[in-house]
Amino acid sequence: RKEVEQDPGPFNVPEGATVAFNCTYSNSASQSFFWYRQDCRKEPKLLMSVYSSGNEDGRFTAQLNRASQYISLLIRDSKLSDSATYLCVVNAYGSASKIIFGSGTRLSIRP
Amino acid sequence: DAGVIQSPRHEVTEMGQEVTLRCKPISGHDYLFWYRQTMMRGLELLIYFNNNVPIDDSGMPEDRFSAKMPNASFSTLKIQPSEPRDSAVYFCASRRYRSSGGRGSTDTQYFGPGTRLTVL
Repeated sequence: RKEVEQDPGPFNVPEGATVAFNCTYSNSASQSFFWYRQDCRKEPKLLMSVYSSGNEDGRFTAQLNRASQYISLLIRDSKLSDSATYLCVVNAYGSASKIIFGSGTRLSIRP
Repeated sequence: DAGVIQSPRHEVTEMGQEVTLRCKPISGHDYLFWYRQTMMRGLELLIYFNNNVPIDDSGMPEDRFSAKMPNASFSTLKIQPSEPRDSAVYFCASRRYRSSGGRGSTDTQYFGPGTRLTVL
């Protein structure tokens, strides 16, 4: 079993739709969680950190479920510019060597 | 402030040649990471440095790969000899470690634009 698993997609949704991704992790000692966004042929960029209480940034909402060991990303009112690959990132507290990137979920927004 | 700088952006070489990838991290960052990304394996951590010292190189595929960080503003990843299976995008990333107590680390990694390596 991979340490961080994501549905590779692609998710193909119409503009304005709501879309959600999940990501599961196997290491219960994981402490930090992030969502990164990667555009085609570009570098990954931090989208948002994921906190235990859940957090929201505009149209984006991230949640963490420690009991079930998964994190989620919800995108509301999706825009064409949201088309990208979304990478789930998990690492153990204070341990840079335990930074694990998921393989990414590809999202395509159609007009 | 300039982000992470990598050079070259593209490298095409022949099997057996030596390849050197370069990275300049963001000033003030004390961690530097080298990653490799392929379609098959996704993003893999190869090695990382803390305050110029290699901490974990367990991700380096084999002895043909080596990395150095002679000072806080420069790092190299060298492949000698290169092989076709080394073809990938190599990213360098840096961060400044900050603890946020109960919320765990809020450190953010900033990636460079990557070097697209093709070994023929």
